[in-house]
Amino acid sequence: DTAVSQTPKYLVTQMGNDKSIKCEQNLGHDTMYWYKQDSKKFLKIMFSYNNKELIINETVPNRFSPKSPDKAHLNLHINSLELGDSAVYFCASSQNYPYEQYFGPGTRLTVT
Amino acid sequence: QKEVEQNSGPLSVPEGAIASLNCTYSDRGSQSFFWYRQYSGKSPELIMFIYSNGDKEDGRFTAQLNKASQYVSLLIRDSQPSDSATYLCAVDTGRRALTFGSGTRLQVQP
Repeated sequence: DTAVSQTPKYLVTQMGNDKSIKCEQNLGHDTMYWYKQDSKKFLKIMFSYNNKELIINETVPNRFSPKSPDKAHLNLHINSLELGDSAVYFCASSQNYPYEQYFGPGTRLTVT
Repeated sequence: QKEVEQNSGPLSVPEGAIASLNCTYSDRGSQSFFWYRQYSGKSPELIMFIYSNGDKEDGRFTAQLNKASQYVSLLIRDSQPSDSATYLCAVDTGRRALTFGSGTRLQVQP
């Protein structure tokens, strides 16, 4: 059974387009996250939700909008895509303290 | 700015040797510390976490924590070529999220 799944795995699109990435976890965890990993492999948190409530909203352009319809799902919508948005986006989930996180397989976004 | 620092490597060790990976962090209030392994093109996978000073062992892996020195390390005994990957150190932020270091690339030579 896949614990944290993401779709799509690859996303190639042109500048200016709008796209969404979906994430689902079947671990029963309360908290879900979006991380961005750039070309230098640096992994940085973007958002986190706990039981559908936004907990963390880092300095991310407001073109990025997360949505959590329930605690098992966290989606990421990106408007007006830019070249600099090209990266791998990872979804993750965790239970309570110490909040060890389990990652999905990632979505490689390429903006041309 | 809360930071986690790691040497980017690559750290090259021969097969069967002990690989020692190090990490320092800036936030004295951090309570939990994590080691993840990431193979090229894959997602990070949790190896182990530690929150008490001292050593914690799990199979060939030992995590070491020294809060006074703000230092975490990971030892991999009997290194195998399959251990070749990037190792990410992560520290809790106190906000149910982790701050990651940029990772150390480990190469185990057969």
